Amino acid sequence: AQTVTQSQPEMSVQEAETVTLSCTYDTSESNYYLFWYKQPPSRQMILVIRQEAYKQQNATENRFSVNFQKAAKSFSLKISDSQLGDTAMYFCAFMKSAGRAGSYQLTFGKGTKLSVIP
Amino acid sequence: DVKVTQSSRYLVKRTGEKVFLECVQDMDHENMFWYRQDPGLGLRLIYFSYDVKMKEKGDIPEGYSVSREKKERFSLILESASTNQTSMYLCASSLLPTRLYTFGSGTRLTVV
Repeated sequence: AQTVTQSQPEMSVQEAETVTLSCTYDTSESNYYLFWYKQPPSRQMILVIRQEAYKQQNATENRFSVNFQKAAKSFSLKISDSQLGDTAMYFCAFMKSAGRAGSYQLTFGKGTKLSVIP
Repeated sequence: DVKVTQSSRYLVKRTGEKVFLECVQDMDHENMFWYRQDPGLGLRLIYFSYDVKMKEKGDIPEGYSVSREKKERFSLILESASTNQTSMYLCASSLLPTRLYTFGSGTRLTVV
């Protein structure tokens, strides 16, 4: 079974600063997908960024980027120029490559609560 | 945009009641999922379905069942609600080729 570990239950960052959220995972698979989701107080889960394990290049979406270290099984999220709207729970998630349709469910970490301070 | 709609945002039920949580998606997605979210535990998979009338257990299926009679609707059933099922319940759907999930906005269930 895959496990996803987020070692920082809570973090805070000053507005406009940069913050990095950590995530490690454990798997014996070679092909898989990694995700970061954001859940603001509205409770809506929003996809932040996605990384395919076979791609060496780190994914980037505007102010959000990842540092994917496949050998170390590490997948950290960097948020640059933090904004008040970034305040949310952030979940790291793992999905192994699709075999049978039902086999590609997401496994989530326990989450990191990020507060952006004005 | 794909929409996943959960019928109730908040729900209060009594111990021993049979509870139905409904989830509907409008984009013909094959896969649908029910998660439970608790503070400090993240999201845990209860059940999922990859086709009509098909279901598979997730990590914590005890005390729950599901029904998928139509492709767009996936129901979570608590046969006899207990206080330890007080939680946030999230439904999601996914199109097989993309593997991208769309989540509902959650049902916060309180069992008293």
